[in-house]
Amino acid sequence: DAGVIQSPRHEVTEMGQEVTLRCKPISGHNSLFWYRQTMMRGLELLIYFNNNVPIDDSGMPEDRFSAKMPNASFSTLKIQPSEPRDSAVYFCASSFRSGGNTEAFFGQGTRLTVV
Amino acid sequence: SQQGEEDPQALSIQEGENATMNCSYKTSINNLQWYRQNSGRGLVHLILIRSNEREKHSGRLRVTLDTSKKSSSLLITASRAADTASYFCATVFNQAGTALIFGKGTTLSVSS
Repeated sequence: DAGVIQSPRHEVTEMGQEVTLRCKPISGHNSLFWYRQTMMRGLELLIYFNNNVPIDDSGMPEDRFSAKMPNASFSTLKIQPSEPRDSAVYFCASSFRSGGNTEAFFGQGTRLTVV
Repeated sequence: SQQGEEDPQALSIQEGENATMNCSYKTSINNLQWYRQNSGRGLVHLILIRSNEREKHSGRLRVTLDTSKKSSSLLITASRAADTASYFCATVFNQAGTALIFGKGTTLSVSS
């Protein structure tokens, strides 16, 4: 398996634009997580899906952020409209069992810069 | 908010020395995991220790867990320059439907 695949690897966009980050989890994994990493706040859990259903989205910063998982092999994280403070590295991770009961496999991340 | 807190924030050692990193957490956990992140890369799982375990080994890694003190430690023995990275502990709350919550990490620098 190629591991968790995220795209794009880098994204530079202007404030106010819509940004869509994509993630393909490892085949057979039934949990998917979106994290955001910044120097100031470290790694923050944004949202967690189990069997394509959002379980915990309490980490989503505000209504500008939304995440979907239409099927077991694809998830998106959308920011609309984007703001400079959204600049961060966004990671997607997947695991075989629900929640944190087994190890999580991380993608390489999407570095987002909002100017 | 972070559940785990690593200590120290940064650690610099020479090759061949041992490196010890600590993690403290606040609430009852199901398990605790350690991850490593090389600069500009994603996180890689190192080891998972369950709440009913006290010690676990994997190669040059040794992890301990003290649930009474709500703390864990990661020991890397005979460190190498390639061990230079950030190390994170991640906890899973002892309740259904929770995910991994990460601390802010320890940055380890091993010089040759």
